[in-house]
Amino acid sequence: GDSVTQMEGPVTLSEEAFLTINCTYTATGYPSLFWYVQYPGEGLQLLLKATKADDKGSNKGFEATYRKETTSFHLEKGSVQVSDSAVYFCACHSGGGADGLTFGKGTHLIIQP
Amino acid sequence: GAVVSQHPSWVICKSGTSVKIECRSLDFQATTMFWYRQFPKQSLMLMATSNEGSKATYEQGVEKDKFLINHASLTLSTLTVTSAHPEDSSFYICSARSLTETQYFGPGTRLLVL
Repeated sequence: GDSVTQMEGPVTLSEEAFLTINCTYTATGYPSLFWYVQYPGEGLQLLLKATKADDKGSNKGFEATYRKETTSFHLEKGSVQVSDSAVYFCACHSGGGADGLTFGKGTHLIIQP
Repeated sequence: GAVVSQHPSWVICKSGTSVKIECRSLDFQATTMFWYRQFPKQSLMLMATSNEGSKATYEQGVEKDKFLINHASLTLSTLTVTSAHPEDSSFYICSARSLTETQYFGPGTRLLVL
C-alpha cells in the first residue's frame, strides 16, 4: 500500500526564517499529493496540492513541487511567521478502491518571535 | 470554504457502552465521507469509507461490527463504537469529499473509555 514519510518534529524556527519540511512517498501509479495544516484546536485544512509530476502547489506563501524522480513533495516557505505554528501533514492519494488519503505522521512546527 | 462539523468534540464513557459520533458537512453535500483514527504522535489511519445510501467499506483490520457506520443523508455520517473498551480510546476524525474531490476535515472527536 501507499506510505508517506515526513520529518518528525518538533521543528522550532525563529520568525522570518526559511522553512523546509521534507516529505517522501511510496505509491502505485501517479498519486496526487497534499499538504494539510492543523492549527491548535481546529480540524485539518488543505494547504496545497499537486496532481501530477512537476506541478507546484502554492498557498499562503507555502510551496511544494511534485518530484516524481525523487518521490518527494517537500514543503517550503521563505519567511515564516508566528501564526504559521501548527502541525503539518503530508498525504497522498492513489485512488483505487478505498479512496482515502494516506498521511504522514505530521510535523509540529513552532515559530518563535 | 467548506465546513465539516463533528459532535461531540470529546466524550468519556464506561467500558461496555456504545458511543455515537456524528459528522456533518454544513454547506455542501458529500456522497462520500471518511473516518480516520489518530493515536498520539501517529498519523491519521483510514478506518472506513462511508458512502451515502450504501454500506461502508472498511480497511483491513477494522472490525465492521465494532465500528458501525451509517451514511443516511448527503450531509450526515455517523460512527458508532459499540461495546467500547479502553483500547478504543483515540481521536476520531471524519472528512467529507466535495464535488471537486477535495477532502474537508472535521475537528475530531476525542474518545476516552474508562
